[in-house]
Order: sequence, then C-alpha cells, then structure tokens
Amino acid sequence: SQQGEEDPQALSIQEGENATMNCSYKTSINNLQWYRQNSGRGLVHLILIRSNEREKHSGRLRVTLDTSKKSSSLLITASRAADTASYFCAYSGSARQLTFGSGTQLTVLP
Amino acid sequence: KAGVTQTPRYLIKTRGQQVTLSCSPISGHRSVSWYQQTPGQGLQFLFEYFSETQRNKGNFPGRFSGRQFSNSRSEMNVSTLELGDSALYLCASSLTNHNSPLHFGNGTRLTVT
Repeated sequence: SQQGEEDPQALSIQEGENATMNCSYKTSINNLQWYRQNSGRGLVHLILIRSNEREKHSGRLRVTLDTSKKSSSLLITASRAADTASYFCAYSGSARQLTFGSGTQLTVLP
Repeated sequence: KAGVTQTPRYLIKTRGQQVTLSCSPISGHRSVSWYQQTPGQGLQFLFEYFSETQRNKGNFPGRFSGRQFSNSRSEMNVSTLELGDSALYLCASSLTNHNSPLHFGNGTRLTVT
C-alpha cells in the first residue's frame, strides 16, 4: 500500500494534556498536511508544512517534518474534549495526488 | 463562502444497480477530487478533475467514473454495484491541486445490500 502509516492508532488522554501523533511516509514529498475528521463527517484541513520547512505552528497545533526520516508529528497542546476526532496526515509527491495515512483516533476525556 | 456540498447524504442500493453522487465545490475552486473511505482500506483516492478534465486517477476499476461540468460541479458514478462498494464517498475541492489544502464535503454514505 502507498498509504502513510500513523501511530498510535488510538490515543486516549485527559483534558489539558498534550497529544502527539506521528506519521511516516515512503516517498519524496512536496508538502505534508494534517486533517481532522469528526465521526461520520468530512475532513477539515488543519495545517500544511512544505518539504523545506522543519516546524510550523498554528494556535495549539505544532507540526514537525523530518524529510530525512520521512516522518512528521502533530502535537496538540492543552487538549480539550472538542479535540476528540480522527487525525490524518496526507502527503503529496510525484504521484500528483494526496495520499492519506491510516489515521489516529484521539479521545480527550473531560 | 458556502462549503463543499455533497448530495445525497445517504444512499441504499442493491447489488448490480448503479449510483450517481453529486458534489458542488466552493465557489472559485476548479479542482475537485473524490475519495472512498472504508474502515478496512482507509481513505483511497478515486480521481481528480480540473476544468472539466480528469487530471489523475486512482487504482479503482472502470466501474467507477466521474465527470466535471463547466461550473466545476462534479459527479461520480458507480455501475454494477458490489457489496464492497459500501463506503463513505468524500468530495474535496481546492483552488489548484493536491499541493493546496483540500476542502471536504460531509460525504455520501453508500450502503450496498
């Protein structure tokens, strides 16, 4: 499969804690994006990091990219119950399409 | 701006039938992509259209087809439905292509019985 791999598959934390999700991919990329999906609904774009960037922030989100290891991580700080969702990384490269990872199911307990 | 609109929201079809799903992109977005999401395979790319032309296609059989109209609205069609086609079909639009953020609709939940 060309899909990226994400770990963990599932993560359960208490409100206020930080959540870290990891993504690995197999090809050279132009950029890597992170999306959130609430149950049964469409995906919402969170952040995009280009291949020449190493770190990017957006509000409580911090994304890192290590192209030498073909990996990325998404950190959500001070998590809230509303952050409960599935999180997907997606990357674009020579295939000229966005390839999605397998996703991490995050549960934030109040 | 209105978001991406997909219709219908839910569909139940029988094996062997065909189905057409519709997607209206965000105004000004010319790229429309379709994805199939299942618990087993995750999100799988179906195809992408830009200015009425199919620009890229995933690894799906020819039973899956699509088109885009001059107003950027898109439809996808699945013929001779199989049980395994049961899935959430997601449409996404973007300004240019896969290197831009995608804006997703809420999907069409297709159940094949």
